[in-house]
Amino acid sequence: GDSVTQMEGPVTLSEEAFLTINCTYTATGYPSLFWYVQYPGEGLQLLLKATKADDKGSNKGFEATYRKETTSFHLEKGSVQVSDSAVYFCALANQAGTALIFGKGTTLSVSS
Amino acid sequence: EAGVAQSPRYKIIEKRQSVAFWCNPISGHATLYWYQQILGQGPKLLIQFQNNGVVDDSQLPKDRFSAERLKGVDSTLKIQPAKLEDSAVYLCASSLGDSGGAKTQYFGPGTRLLVL
Repeated sequence: GDSVTQMEGPVTLSEEAFLTINCTYTATGYPSLFWYVQYPGEGLQLLLKATKADDKGSNKGFEATYRKETTSFHLEKGSVQVSDSAVYFCALANQAGTALIFGKGTTLSVSS
Repeated sequence: EAGVAQSPRYKIIEKRQSVAFWCNPISGHATLYWYQQILGQGPKLLIQFQNNGVVDDSQLPKDRFSAERLKGVDSTLKIQPAKLEDSAVYLCASSLGDSGGAKTQYFGPGTRLLVL
C-alpha cells in the first residue's frame, strides 16, 4: 500500500543553519504531496504542497520539490529560526482522493 | 473564518468506559475526517465522511469505535468500551468539495485521550 518515510528525529540546529528533512514515498499513480507542521500546543497546519511532478511548494521560507524519479519531497529552508521549532510531517494523498497518509514526523529543535 | 472545532480537549477515562468526541468542521466543508495519532507516530485515518455518507471506514475498529455525521455538518466519534491502546490524540479535519487528492485538509486542535 501507499506509504511515506521521513527521516528520524530529532533534528537539532543552531539559528540560521540550513535545514533538510528527507521524505520519500511509495504510491500508485500520481499522488499529491504535503508538508504539515505542528507547533507546540497547536494543531496540524499545512505548510506547503505540490500536486504534480517537478512542482515546487513554498511557504514561510520553506521549499520542497516533487521529484517523481526519486519519489521524494524533501523539505528545505536556508536559514532556520527558533520559531521554526516544531514537528514536521510529510504526507501524501493518492489519486483516488482518499485521506492523507502521513509519515511518522520529524522533530526540529532550533537554538539561538 | 473559524477553524475546525473539537471538544473536549482532554479526557481521562478508565478502560472499559465509553467516551465521545465532537467535531464541528469549517463552514461549507463537505468532507470530514477523523484521524488517530498515537504518540510518536503520524496521524492515521479512522473514518472519512462526504456530507453525511461514509467514504472510507476501512481502518475503523468497528467492534468498539463508531462515528456519525448527522445532517452533514457536526460529527461525533465514540469509543465503547475503551482499551489502553486507545490512548492517543484524536484529530478532526475537514476539506472542501468532493474527495480530491489535492484538497487541503484543515485540522482541529485534537482531543487528547488517556485510558487508564
